[in-house]
Amino acid sequence: EAEVAQSPRYKITEKSQAVAFWCDPISGHATLYWYRQILGQGPELLVQFQDESVVDDSQLPKDRFSAERLKGVDSTLKIQPAELGDSAMYLCASRSDRGYTGELFFGEGSRLTVL
Amino acid sequence: AQRVTQPEKLLSVFKGAPVELKCNYSYSGSPELFWYVQYSRQRLQLLLRHISRESIKGFTADLNKGETSFHLKKPFAQEEDSAMYYCALKGSGNTGKLIFGQGTTLQVKP
Repeated sequence: EAEVAQSPRYKITEKSQAVAFWCDPISGHATLYWYRQILGQGPELLVQFQDESVVDDSQLPKDRFSAERLKGVDSTLKIQPAELGDSAMYLCASRSDRGYTGELFFGEGSRLTVL
Repeated sequence: AQRVTQPEKLLSVFKGAPVELKCNYSYSGSPELFWYVQYSRQRLQLLLRHISRESIKGFTADLNKGETSFHLKKPFAQEEDSAMYYCALKGSGNTGKLIFGQGTTLQVKP
């Protein structure tokens, strides 16, 4: 069964360093989301792509976060420089545009620890 | 503002007891609501959607617009129901994004 792939699963970095996360959505899913989940909280949307275009990045801290999906398939989320408060799980999700009924398919997530 | 609130961080019940996970929402218009579940060491996944009015794994959820609630219920809890449960609201506009609550951990004791 097709699944959303994310890497790395775990990342430990020191503050002020750069980190990057990669996501490969389910084949054929044009819409891709990056969510951030701080421990004890629910997922919060950072950015949404439709193909290679950003649809919603209103909650993305653009001074340090960037996201791209150059060919409309896989996507990269970057943080530079990382801060202590960025420690969280970064979740990628994708969905089909055909007959969308609210089901997002999530990856396993990338857990970031900033020291 | 569009918001989802799950007032309980943890709900602990014994096997066979009824379960009710609370969810309240804030939304102007007709909401679309969902329950997602994350079992230990598994991905976050859709459990059920209010539009379908379905029962999944014995769970049901009814949308109550008057009380702006979408509580998840099961008459007899099983140990395998132990998981993290998130209530989610589909945001306005055509982005299809989901707004999640803080989540409730359900612990079913033997």
